[in-house]
Order: sequence, then C-alpha cells, then structure tokens
Amino acid sequence: GNSVTQMEGPVTLSEEAFLTINCTYTATGYPSLFWYVQYPGEGLQLLLKATKADDKGSNKGFEATYRKETTSFHLEKGSVQVSDSAVYFCALSEGAQKLVFGQGTRLTINP
Amino acid sequence: DTGVSQDPRHKITKRGQNVTFRCDPISEHNRLYWYRQTLGQGPEFLTYFQNEAQLEKSRLLSDRFSAERPKGSFSTLEIQRTEQGDSAMYLCASSATLSLRNEQFFGPGTRLTVL
Repeated sequence: GNSVTQMEGPVTLSEEAFLTINCTYTATGYPSLFWYVQYPGEGLQLLLKATKADDKGSNKGFEATYRKETTSFHLEKGSVQVSDSAVYFCALSEGAQKLVFGQGTRLTINP
Repeated sequence: DTGVSQDPRHKITKRGQNVTFRCDPISEHNRLYWYRQTLGQGPEFLTYFQNEAQLEKSRLLSDRFSAERPKGSFSTLEIQRTEQGDSAMYLCASSATLSLRNEQFFGPGTRLTVL
C-alpha cells in the first residue's frame, strides 16, 4: 500500500537558519503530494502541494519539489522564523482518495 | 466563516458510553473525510463520502464506529461503547469533485477523552 516516511523529529533550529525536512513516499501510481502544517492549538492547514513529477510547490517561503526518480518531496525554507514553529506533515493521495500522512516532524525555532 | 466546522471541540466521556460528533464541510464540497489522530502521530484515514454515499472505510473503523452523511451535507461519526483506546483527535476534511488535486480542507477537530 501507499506510505509516507518523514525524517524523525523533533528539529530545533535558530532563527534565520536553513530548514530541510525530508519526506519519501511509496505509491503504486502517480500521487499528488502535500505538506500540511499544524500550529500549536490549531487545525491542519495545507502549506503547499505538487501534482506531477518536477512540479515545485511553494508558499510562505517554503518550497518542495516532486522528485519521482527518488520518490521524495523534501520541504525547504531558506530562513526560518520563530513563527514557523509547528508540526509539519508530508502526505500523498491518488485521485479522490484518502490522504496518507507521515508521522509528522515537530519544528522548534529559537530566537 | 466558510471553513470546515466540527462540534463539539472537546468531549470527555466514560468508558462504555456512546458519543456522536458532527462535521459541517465547506458548502460547495461534495467529498467528506474522517480521520483520527493520536498523540505524536499523523492523521489516519477512517472513512470517506462522496455526496451521501460512503465509498470507503478503513479497517480502523470497527463495528463500534458508524458514520453517516444523510443529505450529502453535514456528517456524523458515532462511536458506541467507547474504549480508552478511542481517545484521540477526530478530524473532518472536505474537498470538491473538481479538485483533481484532492486538496482537502480540515476542520479544527474534536478531541475525545475516554476515562
């Protein structure tokens, strides 16, 4: 079945540091890929998405590129802020099907 | 507010009791999903509706769980004879048929605590 594996957390960085959160997937077809973010005390929010190979999703300074050859969708940001502290989830879906999530990566940014 | 809403936000119950949660999707969305999230884990799929039809159920959805979407609008998730292992955050999401990318929008969740 389909699955998503994220780098284990928690991740702690200083403000303005470069961020990478690794995500790899296993899928039988050609899934769409997503990053969701969960801020403290809030619900899941879609951060960015990509629907086909080599697509780059971007939002709020975050980027992720759909790499079919390495089955990866790593999340990056060039300069993180304290407000980026949250839990980040990588997910995939095929067609109108359910989302399959990774286990989440807790990110803490220190001033 | 035109987002996905869930009610109640928190529910504390005693083992063996029945509980029911409600989800109101974004009004033009015809797909509705239920997920369960336990502490430190990603959400896990429970079930999915397109309009009023329940199209898929996870193995996680035991006989004690039932979901309905009678008029293709709001949905309810009922858990009968609750167990401590049912304690979790129950999330609802909705999406539109025309969204080929299956972009799902999530509600705030209902946190269930079974004592």
